[in-house]
Amino acid sequence: DTEVTQTPKHLVMGMTNKKSLKCEQHMGHRAMYWYKQKAKKPPELMFVYSYEKLSINESVPSRFSPECPNSSLLNLHLHALQPEDSALYLCASSQDHPDTEAFFGQGTRLTVV
Amino acid sequence: DAKTTQPNSMESNEEEPVHLPCNHSTISGTDYIHWYRQLPSQGPEYVIHGLTSNVNNRMASLAIAEDRKSSTLILHRATLRDAAVYYCILYNTDKLIFGTGTRLQVFP
Repeated sequence: DTEVTQTPKHLVMGMTNKKSLKCEQHMGHRAMYWYKQKAKKPPELMFVYSYEKLSINESVPSRFSPECPNSSLLNLHLHALQPEDSALYLCASSQDHPDTEAFFGQGTRLTVV
Repeated sequence: DAKTTQPNSMESNEEEPVHLPCNHSTISGTDYIHWYRQLPSQGPEYVIHGLTSNVNNRMASLAIAEDRKSSTLILHRATLRDAAVYYCILYNTDKLIFGTGTRLQVFP
């Protein structure tokens, strides 16, 4: 199984809602990543988890809250988002070594209304 | 974070070879050169990576300059399915940082 599975595929939420994005991989990868991608722009790194611990937070606003419950799961909790947070949110995983490839999910298309 | 520079866009005809260049003049000795591509409405997909030597796999070839300050991704015979944004990335510690990428158009 070489897949990174993200759910839901699409999400529409109001600015007062709380929602969560989910990411799952069963490749035994020890690093997991969240990226945000706006239209026609490259993915921007948000968070990195290494061995289930948060290792990198790229100065992401606190309305985005990551969580890594176990080595296979990565969540992104969303609260009080703004319309400008509408984007494609991508999850990725890797063996956490630059001599190995990273695998990306298909993303969650988030719209904040 | 070391940066990469790629042309914004390139064009190719189907079944012709494509050479996608990438400059990375600030590369460090431990940076690996990775290439990913992103097809429309999909997540990025790994293509190939290398450190110093040229690399080949079923998708493409990677040619790395001797001083490692530039590299070229080679698609030997472009198909319509290769139309995508191609990203050249320097991967060192635990960060995989995307540059602006090259949008490849393939014409029949």
